[in-house]
Amino acid sequence: NAGVTQTPKFQVLKTGQSMTLQCAQDMNHNSMYWYRQDPGMGLRLIYYSASEGTTDKGEVPNGYNVSRLNKREFSLRLESAAPSQTSVYFCASRDRGPVDTQYFGPGTRLTVL
Amino acid sequence: GEDVEQSLFLSVREGDSSVINCTYTDSSSTYLYWYKQEPGAGLQLLTYIFSNMDMKQDQRLTVLLNKKDKHLSLRIADTQTGDSAIYFCAERPQWGNKLVFGAGTILRVKS
Repeated sequence: NAGVTQTPKFQVLKTGQSMTLQCAQDMNHNSMYWYRQDPGMGLRLIYYSASEGTTDKGEVPNGYNVSRLNKREFSLRLESAAPSQTSVYFCASRDRGPVDTQYFGPGTRLTVL
Repeated sequence: GEDVEQSLFLSVREGDSSVINCTYTDSSSTYLYWYKQEPGAGLQLLTYIFSNMDMKQDQRLTVLLNKKDKHLSLRIADTQTGDSAIYFCAERPQWGNKLVFGAGTILRVKS
């Protein structure tokens, strides 16, 4: 049981390049989330998927797209990277059991030059 | 609206107690959480409290909830160097699918 996994761990892009961040969970959770973490700003929600086949915008969706490929996988795409997207990206999935909270992946550290 | 605020930094000596504070605005929140983030890692759930509780104790951790003042605190007894991390407070509003996080408190433990 690996929990939430993310690839890659690190990435450097040039302005205008595109890339996809991958996330997978093996806990059979319905809901999945993408956050970005910037110093002093905590975690900000980019997009989430309440269930397979649905996606919704969070606080900071501009410049990103997502795909909920199946129940396990939720990817985040940057079509044309900008320096303002330099951040650490976390994927999470939600357990609606007694605690009803989220479990996080290890993060992807992205630098856009 | 929903907002969670925390102080940004706390420094304590090894063996002392640490108290990290948090205020939130959504009185309908059903759950409140503390997450820990160690350097280079993702967030891990440390503890949580239901909104109908005032206190929860779990080994060295004590969570206090004051619903009237919308104030949540995390006390770590006998703080160790391994407790050095960023601690995030989060609330789950009654409606909706998301958590609302504070900016995080950096805890530094000096030996």
